[in-house]
This record gives sequence, C-alpha cells and structure tokens, in this order.
Amino acid sequence: SQKIEQNSEALNIQEGKTATLTCNYTNYSPAYLQWYRQDPGRGPVFLLLIRENEKEKRKERLKVTFDTTLKQSLFHITASQPADSATYLCAPFSGGYNKLIFGAGTRLAVHP
Amino acid sequence: GAVVSQHPSWVICKSGTSVKIECRSLDFQATTMFWYRQFPKQSLMLMATSNEGSKATYEQGVEKDKFLINHASLTLSTLTVTSAHPEDSSFYICSAPSRGLAVADTQYFGPGTRLTVL
Repeated sequence: SQKIEQNSEALNIQEGKTATLTCNYTNYSPAYLQWYRQDPGRGPVFLLLIRENEKEKRKERLKVTFDTTLKQSLFHITASQPADSATYLCAPFSGGYNKLIFGAGTRLAVHP
Repeated sequence: GAVVSQHPSWVICKSGTSVKIECRSLDFQATTMFWYRQFPKQSLMLMATSNEGSKATYEQGVEKDKFLINHASLTLSTLTVTSAHPEDSSFYICSAPSRGLAVADTQYFGPGTRLTVL
C-alpha cells in the first residue's frame, strides 16, 4: 500500500533561517503533490501544488521541489517567521487511487 | 477564496446518542465532499467520500451504518455519528475540491468539529 513519510519530530529553527521539510512516498507514483498548513484545532489550508513534470514551484517565501526519482518532495520556507509555526502536511495524489492521502505532518516551530 | 463551513464547531454528547455535523460550501458548488477524522497529533484519515445524488463511498474499516453521510445538495453534506461512544471522540473535518468535482483538485477544508463523547 502507498506510504507517506514526513519528519515525525518537530523542527525548531531560529527566525530568519530557512526551514526545510521533507516528504517521502513509496509504492505509488503521484501525478501531483500538495502541501497544506494546519494550525492547532483548525482545518488545513492549501499552500502549493506541484505536478510530476515540474521540478520546482515558488510562492512568495515558499518553495517546493518534486523529485520523482527519489520519490521525495522538499518544502522550504525562507526568512522564516514565528507566524510560520504550524504543522505542514504533504499529500501526494495518484489518480489510480482517486483520493487524497495525507502524511502525518511535520510540526515547525520558529523561535524569535 | 472559497470557503467551507462546518457546524457545530464543537459538540459534547452522552454515549449512545447521535450527532450530526454539517459541511457547507459557501460560495461554490461541490458534487463531491470528503470527510476526515483526526486524532491528537495524528494525520488526517479519510473516512468517506460524499457524493451528491448518490451513496457515499466509505474507506476500508469505516462503518457505514455508524457514520451516515448524506449529500443533500450541491452545497451541503452531513455526517451523522450514530450511537456515539467515547472512542468516537475526535476532530472531524470536511473538505471540498476547489472546482467542486475532482479529488485531484486542491481542497478547501472546513474549520473542523471537535466531538467529545462522555
């Protein structure tokens, strides 16, 4: 069955640094990969979508890469701010399964 | 951007009672909506796909008779937890695809409903 792995431990970084979160997947080949942000007690909010034929996608301070050979996506937040503290979820999508499956998420804490 | 609302935002009920949770797409139509459950510090687990005009599709291990889903209109899906027990206590979240149709679309999530069963 398909498996999605994200850093299970919280990532603690200093304000202003770049945060890098990892999403690895196995046993399937997603056509898209989405990243969401979830704050405690709230529903996730969509951030970025990257397709299998795209190596990199940017949106303001966010950057996502997608390596279909390594079966990995990296999510970067540059010039991080305390307001970026949240849990970040990746969701690789494969049409063959016809549903969106989320990784467990990585909790990011940005310290002033 | 598109908004998905849920009602109630939290509910406390006694064991054995039924609880209905509503999910509405406020400014767009959704022929498909999704229901997730999330336990503390765990990921979202897809429970079922709600289909307007037809039966819901449940994920393996989810009891369809316990979690009743009705997609009453293009903007409303309801999840009813029947005969709730303490182990049903969780955070229930719905989502709707941005274009209202395809699961491949980016999802707009509701704010979630915290259910506590005593």
